[in-house]
Amino acid sequence: SYVLTQPPSVSVAPGQTARITCGGNNIGSKSVHWYQQKPGQAPVLVVYDDSDRPSGIPERFSGSNSGNTATLTISRVEAGDEADYYCQVWDSSSDLLVFGTGTKVTVL
Amino acid sequence: QVQLQESGPGLVKPSQTLSLTCTVSGGSISSGGYYWSWIRQHPGKGLEWIGYIYYSGSTYYNPSLKSRVTISVDTSKNQFSLKLSSVTAADTAVYYCARDIVATRWFDPWGQGTLVTVSS
Repeated sequence: SYVLTQPPSVSVAPGQTARITCGGNNIGSKSVHWYQQKPGQAPVLVVYDDSDRPSGIPERFSGSNSGNTATLTISRVEAGDEADYYCQVWDSSSDLLVFGTGTKVTVL
Repeated sequence: QVQLQESGPGLVKPSQTLSLTCTVSGGSISSGGYYWSWIRQHPGKGLEWIGYIYYSGSTYYNPSLKSRVTISVDTSKNQFSLKLSSVTAADTAVYYCARDIVATRWFDPWGQGTLVTVSS
């Protein structure tokens, strides 16, 4: 089955840039979606199709995808960005929806 | 704006069947173009996709749970449901329902989630 690997944690100071990676075999050939999950809440879509943002999501959230790594970038990090972040793809070969292992972003 | 809401027992005994319902408001399940999915999250862990159903009734399940999962739809009530049989403590989790776009396969929106504990 297709596996998506994320770093368990990322720490960043307010105002700086956080980069969260999502590794998978030839992930650049797939569309990657990213979710933010705050404690006790359901996940919220923050980036879809590698780099598009749903309405209401700040421009500070951006994404890229190439080769074996997709990246979610949070610019000018704020305290309110502290959350768990998950990447997700559809593995067409198995018709499975796969989530990454998740990354906890801590704002110092 | 479409909203989803899970409902069902918060406590299930081992070996019994877990049953949850997701009620969709602000839009019709029968409108097409969407799959309706169940996803779970074990306490303190990551997300696991369980399966989906189309309004026509066609389903697809995660092979890891396929032998125990049934997802059904009631278009007249604008609801879809999850049944997970022969549960054990390992099935204790927060269960979410979510809309999955057929063409693009991302989940939006999600229900708020409901914690189901398997315990005697």
